[in-house]
Amino acid sequence: GEDVEQSLFLSVREGDSSVINCTYTDSSSTYLYWYKQEPGAGLQLLTYIFSNMDMKQDQRLTVLLNKKDKHLSLRIADTQTGDSAIYFCAERLKNSGYSTLTFGKGTMLLVSP
Amino acid sequence: DGGITQSPKYLFRKEGQNVTLSCEQNLNHDAMYWYRQDPGQGLRLIYYSQIVNDFQKGDIAEGYSVSREKKESFPLTVTSAQKNPTAFYLCASSIWGYDGYTFGSGTRLTVV
Repeated sequence: GEDVEQSLFLSVREGDSSVINCTYTDSSSTYLYWYKQEPGAGLQLLTYIFSNMDMKQDQRLTVLLNKKDKHLSLRIADTQTGDSAIYFCAERLKNSGYSTLTFGKGTMLLVSP
Repeated sequence: DGGITQSPKYLFRKEGQNVTLSCEQNLNHDAMYWYRQDPGQGLRLIYYSQIVNDFQKGDIAEGYSVSREKKESFPLTVTSAQKNPTAFYLCASSIWGYDGYTFGSGTRLTVV
């Protein structure tokens, strides 16, 4: 089955690191994605990781994938107030033809000065 | 610049009226998607289309209809049969394969 779970809310102080967690249930996932949504806007692709990788780093963003536990995390270093947004985890399944992405419900990140 | 455009940004309609939301992309993407977003619900797939003149129902297609007459365009009609149409609607597109989606900026529909 397909299900992506995220915690709903995270609050951090500016300059701290933020870690947003996601769990997925389908072991057939190939790509896992992180999207960012600012208020009243669409979703912006932040980064993605292929299922045969354990880690991917892109500037302040680090994605960690634990396939055994089906756990994905997004770490934002030196979090800024501009990082306040909703973050969505999404998975794409393997060998399902032209599949769609399945999204979690999103984690609202609030960064205080 | 290539992108995906949704219009209008805000839309108000009276209950019982059909309304069509526009989605246009110039990214030469094959596939297009419509999602509905409600507070605390995340994104739920309404319809998607892999190629022109073909589309499939998503998880919550009841009360909605779509067409895909051109590669660039994928309009969504919210019909009077949709019981709770007030929501934020997001259109997205992608190329064939494993890339992530490109999203439009959304249309907020309010039915009064």
